[in-house]
Amino acid sequence: EIVLTQSPATLSLSPGERATLSCRASQSVSSYLAWYQQKPGQAPRLLIYDASNRATGIPARFSGSGSGTDFTLTISSLEPEDFAVYYCQQRSNWPPGSFGGGTKVEIK
Amino acid sequence: QVTLRESGPALVKPTQTLTLTCTFSGFSLSTSGMCVSWIRQPPGKALEWLALIDWDDDKYYSTSLKTRLTISKDTSKNQVVLTMTNMDPVDTATYYCARTDYYGFPWFDYWGQGTLVTVSS
Repeated sequence: EIVLTQSPATLSLSPGERATLSCRASQSVSSYLAWYQQKPGQAPRLLIYDASNRATGIPARFSGSGSGTDFTLTISSLEPEDFAVYYCQQRSNWPPGSFGGGTKVEIK
Repeated sequence: QVTLRESGPALVKPTQTLTLTCTFSGFSLSTSGMCVSWIRQPPGKALEWLALIDWDDDKYYSTSLKTRLTISKDTSKNQVVLTMTNMDPVDTATYYCARTDYYGFPWFDYWGQGTLVTVSS
């Protein structure tokens, strides 16, 4: 089973700052990685799929990169609505599964 | 417009069996490629994928929970049902259903709002 490790667990930043979130896989997942955003009391929302493609309606300030075992989600300039928890998820094999433990982006 | 909605008991007792229903619209589970998964999230913790059923009635389960889970579908009612046996307080979580399209877009692109299940005597 592929394990996804996210770091840091918490990121304390101010609006306007750049956020860099990491996701590391225990073995290669090629580019089969997605990022989700979750706000309190809401279901997760797909942000990035196939490591670097923005989902429909996702602002350009969100970008994803990486392949193999190391992936990054970057938020270029934090907006107030971006403070949330972010999860990575892989689907290198079927069925899709394996979520990471999450990174909370909080207001500093 | 794709929507999913989970329903089921808010409270179950330890050792009981949990039955959850996902009712969806905007797509059909008889369409080639369509799949519905169940995913849960204990309070304050991470997401955990539980099970998936696809258009061809193939079923997949979490390795750690497979002995306790059963997933099924009723295509005519646009419903997917998950049963989990021998519930324990550690199974307290919000349970989500989510859609994937194996051939078109194999990611969780639509989610229900979730239903909180508490396991307590």
